[in-house]
Parts: sequence; structure tokens; C-alpha cells
Amino acid sequence: QVQLRESGPGLVKPSETLSLTCTVSGGSISRYFWSWIRQPPGKGLEWIGYIYYSGSTNYNPSLKSRVTISVDTSKNQFSLDLTSVTAADTAVYYCARDSYCTSGSCYSDYWGQGALVTVSS
Amino acid sequence: EIILTQSPATLSLSPGERATLSCRASQSVRSYLAWYQRKPGQAPRLLIYDVSNRATGIPARFSGSGSGTDFTLTISSLEPEDFAVYYCQQRSNWPRTFGQGTKVEIK
Repeated sequence: QVQLRESGPGLVKPSETLSLTCTVSGGSISRYFWSWIRQPPGKGLEWIGYIYYSGSTNYNPSLKSRVTISVDTSKNQFSLDLTSVTAADTAVYYCARDSYCTSGSCYSDYWGQGALVTVSS
Repeated sequence: EIILTQSPATLSLSPGERATLSCRASQSVRSYLAWYQRKPGQAPRLLIYDVSNRATGIPARFSGSGSGTDFTLTISSLEPEDFAVYYCQQRSNWPRTFGQGTKVEIK
């Protein structure tokens, strides 16, 4: 059974960089797309972007200028960096495995439990 | 981007009753729509993909239907473990987007 677990600081100061790592267990990170998705308090889910195991990425245009997703296949991990954060970036951040894809357009069939990140001074 | 509107926001039902959840898209998403279930403190779970296909291990009481802009998730007879929040998601247009969710609560 594939399992994903998000890790990283739960509190980030405004204007700094939010960094999270997703560790994949129970399966290889190879040959899949891997996404980050977030949900601000009281709001809906927002897809942030994905990375293919080979390293190719694609990001939501609304966040593209501030987002970097990277992968470390040797550790079976992928990571999210979000720069210049504000209070609006406070959210539960989920990592997920993508499946049922067509040209990178996917659904997510395995998700982590989520990590709450609060942006506050 | 495509906006997905789910209704109702909250559905109050008793175990054994039928639940009907709606997801409407701001433009056609063809047949590229999925449904997820999320319970407090748990990872979201993919239930249905491409409108009507059950994901691995999903019970037959969950079914999906629709096309174009109007979609429905039906739970034929609610089990106690089905009380949760349900989200729809489209992958037809870039970027993929989600609905705001429908909470199915115990009446």
C-alpha cells in the first residue's frame, strides 16, 4: 500500500519560503506524476503543481512565479518550495500521487494526510 | 480556469438513505471528472474517476454519472463510514480544479 507523508515547518514568517517534503513509502516514485495540493481554512482545494519522476514539472499559473517542485528519486521524496509567502498561503498542504493521466492531466489516487502551515510573524 | 460548483453544501441524511451530490462545471469537462471523499484527520480518497469508474477497492454503493457540465455522485445506501466531505475535480482543462465540497452529515 502506497503511503505519503508530508513534513516541514508548521510556521513560516511572511516573505520567507515555505518548504515541505513528501516521503513516499510502499512503492517507487518512478513512473508516476506527483502533485502538491493545498486547502486554505474555509476554502476549497487548490492544485499547486506536479513533478514527473524524471524531473519535468508543471505549475498552476496562479502560483507559477513562486513555486518550485523537485524530486529526489534516491530518497523516494519530492519537495515543494513556495517563496515570498503571505497570510494567504496559510493552508493544509497535501502531497499526492497522480494516476489516470493523459499528458500530465491527472487525478490523485493516493494522498498524504496533510500538513498545516501557518504564515505568521 | 473551470469553476466547479457543488450542491448542496451540506446534506443531512440517516444511515441507509440514498445520497445524491451534484457537481456543475462552468464549461464542459467532457468525461474528465472525479470524486473524492475526505474524513477528518484522514487522507482524501479517490472514489470515482472519469465520471463513472470506481477506483480500486471502492464499494459498489458509490456510483457516478453525468457528462459535459452536470455530474452526480450517488451513494445508494449510506453506511456510518460514509459521513464525510466529498469533492469533485476536473482534469479536462488546465489547471485541474476542485469543487468546494459537499458535507454529508448524520441527520
